[in-house]
Amino acid sequence: DQQVKQNSPSLSVQEGRISILNCDYTNSMFDYFLWYKKYPAEGPTFLISISSIKDKNEDGRFTVFLNKSAKHLSLHIVPSQPGDSAVYFCAATSTSGTYKYIFGTGTRLKVLA
Amino acid sequence: ETGVTQSPTHLIKTRGQQVTLRCSSQSGHNTVSWYQQALGQGPQFIFQYYREEENGRGNFPPRFSGLQFPNYSSELNVNALELDDSALYLCASSLDRAAVDTQYFGPGTRLTVL
Repeated sequence: DQQVKQNSPSLSVQEGRISILNCDYTNSMFDYFLWYKKYPAEGPTFLISISSIKDKNEDGRFTVFLNKSAKHLSLHIVPSQPGDSAVYFCAATSTSGTYKYIFGTGTRLKVLA
Repeated sequence: ETGVTQSPTHLIKTRGQQVTLRCSSQSGHNTVSWYQQALGQGPQFIFQYYREEENGRGNFPPRFSGLQFPNYSSELNVNALELDDSALYLCASSLDRAAVDTQYFGPGTRLTVL
């Protein structure tokens, strides 16, 4: 039972354009969401998070949007840079639960120079 | 830099053997979580330790066990290894056990079971 889904295994974007990575979840108890970036041979690195009381959070080139009614979140990267090429994982958790993160399967982003 | 380290980097074991993986959390981080990442999948939560006690467990059998020590180090032990245990094992530390505390991941230990 995949509670967090990233339906696009890969995405290619031209440098300077916008990258949009999508994530869907099924568990209504999730109220905190995070995006992690992973380079080969490294552990995931925290990028940005959002609480369910907000619908948008921005940090530099990265913006996360949350649509609670659709149980959908997205990560926008503008402008995309070659160094952004990595695997991106979304994760969800319930702040009233056991504090574990549930991860999606990841989207491999390739930014073309 | 997150400051979370794991050892060893790679490990090869045979079916039925036992393995111990180690993690050193960032100083001051009271919470450590362990994840298993199979090829092509996202990390799957194994368990979390908070101040040396288990604080939540995922869908993993009892042959997966852990320890957390006062010096911010921790261990993941797996008994009776199976082929499906081959994966990248990640530990992540955080300041406290609250879900909103960002977890900082180590580079992982790649375990291969033959």
